[in-house]
Amino acid sequence: HLQLQQSGPGLVKPSETLSLTCTVSGGSISSGNYYWGWIRQPPGKGLEWIGSLFYSGGTFYNPSLESRITISVDTSKNQFSLKLTSVTAADTAVYYCARHAPVSALFDYWGQGSLVTVSS
Amino acid sequence: QSALTQPASVSASPGQSISISCTGTRTDVGTYDYVSWYQHHPGKAPKLMIYEVTNRPSGVSDRFSGSKSGNTASLTISGLQAEDEADYYCSSYTGSSTHVVFGGGTKVTVL
Repeated sequence: HLQLQQSGPGLVKPSETLSLTCTVSGGSISSGNYYWGWIRQPPGKGLEWIGSLFYSGGTFYNPSLESRITISVDTSKNQFSLKLTSVTAADTAVYYCARHAPVSALFDYWGQGSLVTVSS
Repeated sequence: QSALTQPASVSASPGQSISISCTGTRTDVGTYDYVSWYQHHPGKAPKLMIYEVTNRPSGVSDRFSGSKSGNTASLTISGLQAEDEADYYCSSYTGSSTHVVFGGGTKVTVL
């Protein structure tokens, strides 16, 4: 049974970098034809896809965030990570990692969610 | 403003049926049969309920069904139960650099 466990700071200062990690258990991040993605939900708002990557390193990002995002993978640790630079209060959100079926809007396994607050 | 348009709220009594619409454009919902629906209870991770417009993942009740006509997809919940009270989000593949778009969400209330 695939499980995704998120970790990372819950508070980030404005202009700094938000960093989150998603550790996959119950399966290998490099097996199967799946992407691994990040989605967020600002308070009181809907879901927003941030970006996804394939285990070999290919990435694709939401154009609205692309200039500030890096999603990377560490297959040796069965993890993938999100970095979002130059954060502002608008980046305050619950961030989710999820397994993403390719060429689709299908996210079938999700992490528990991480509330990240941007505040000084 | 979300890329896909959903009603903000829908309510009905237990046992009734409801439908939630999800309106996109010909660049997403209208072209691709890659529409998914998610159930989201506050404080929990979203749960995939429907994928590829009509398909249910294993373990999802057959009271949930999906359909699409033109640029609008729909989620129908029949025999509404108290446990169905949640937020529901649609999403679609776009085939553009945006890749994936979500709707703004619909709050379902069981009266």
